[in-house]
Amino acid sequence: SQTIHQWPATLVQPVGSPLSLECTVEGTSNPNLYWYRQAAGRGLQLLFYSVGIGQISSEVPQNLSASRPQDRQFILSSKKLLLSDSGFYLCAWRVTSGNTIYFGEGSWLTVV
Amino acid sequence: QQPVQSPQAVILREGEDAVINCSSSKALYSVHWYRQKHGEAPIFLMILLKGGEQKGHDKISASFNEKKQQSSLYLTASQLSYSGTYFCGTLDTGRRALTFGSGTRLQVQP
Repeated sequence: SQTIHQWPATLVQPVGSPLSLECTVEGTSNPNLYWYRQAAGRGLQLLFYSVGIGQISSEVPQNLSASRPQDRQFILSSKKLLLSDSGFYLCAWRVTSGNTIYFGEGSWLTVV
Repeated sequence: QQPVQSPQAVILREGEDAVINCSSSKALYSVHWYRQKHGEAPIFLMILLKGGEQKGHDKISASFNEKKQQSSLYLTASQLSYSGTYFCGTLDTGRRALTFGSGTRLQVQP
């Protein structure tokens, strides 16, 4: 069966520091991968999605970037965090031929 | 453009029914419903594909009217475990990622 792992689960970072969140999907190949962000008490905002290695689509211009170095690995990065980057970051996946999108456990980021 | 959900919040007593609506200004390929508990990731409930289908699971069901670009989630005989925030996600033709509504906070009280 397919599983998705996301880490770290929580982190507190100072303003201006770098960020790296990692997501890995197991049990499938060539999945579609997504990064969403949820500010406190708000909805889910799509940040990036990828349909294959090295193929990244950005939905919202900001100081975040995403990379997909391997088929089932998706990384969210920032060189310098802002206070407004705080939130709940969710990685999600979907089989290429499927419709259902499943979320990972999420990562809580607090920028101080 | 994100779909519009209504109501924003609803409070129920156990055993009561609720309806959550989701509408889009774009032609839709599918509508996806999720429930999120506080501090947790959203959990997939069901997906409705274009064709005007209706689905159900236990006491939770949903409908999708593709002509009106609307979907509704029906919760009958609500249980305490139904509490949480419900999100609809829409996939319009040509896109590969879900766009989510702002959510409906549902609270079921004893």
